[in-house]
Amino acid sequence: DAKTTQPPSMDCAEGRAANLPCNHSTISGNEYVYWYRQIHSQGPQYIIHGLKNNETNEMASLIITEDRKSSTLILPHATLRDTAVYYCIVRVAEPGSARQLTFGSGTQLTVLP
Amino acid sequence: NAGVTQTPKFQVLKTGQSMTLQCAQDMNHEYMSWYRQDPGMGLRLIHYSVGAGITDQGEVPNGYNVSRSTTEDFPLRLLSAAPSQTSVYFCASSYNSAGLNSPLHFGNGTRLTVT
Repeated sequence: DAKTTQPPSMDCAEGRAANLPCNHSTISGNEYVYWYRQIHSQGPQYIIHGLKNNETNEMASLIITEDRKSSTLILPHATLRDTAVYYCIVRVAEPGSARQLTFGSGTQLTVLP
Repeated sequence: NAGVTQTPKFQVLKTGQSMTLQCAQDMNHEYMSWYRQDPGMGLRLIHYSVGAGITDQGEVPNGYNVSRSTTEDFPLRLLSAAPSQTSVYFCASSYNSAGLNSPLHFGNGTRLTVT
């Protein structure tokens, strides 16, 4: 699996958009980008994933660059409850492969009042 | 819908004791896995299973055993607890082992202390 690089921490003002970057310069053509978050002392929570097109759901948007070497998770209107560690993971998702997702250290996002 | 249920939530063991961490899911998921989380190290995969009767090792399997006799349950056994196994343990499942639209669902963890 491709390795990812994320900043260790970021701050964001409440109500503003939070843009969390992730570098995955060694990503392969069949690897997807997944984002999870972990609020203190809870289990990680799935946010969104994508292959090469931008994706949006009720929680966030995922912007993947054209060369797929980096991506940005966007929380459009951050709230205090979005304070968490955010993990960017790349992983092959094809029939027959095992789901050995490897989580790195992530980005600690702190939303400030 | 209960999702992924882990028990116990907290456990204290003495060195050398054995115990089983329980994990159950009610979503009929094929894939189940165990992670440990230590400060500053993210989540590390211990063991995983792609279906009943099939298990395999992850990144840090030493000192742990698993079995998958049913689709719903995936217990993690510590054979002889060591202080290095003090950690938070998370169980996770997904619909199938590789599907595009089957992200992992996590339990809320078991906090284990070995003295």
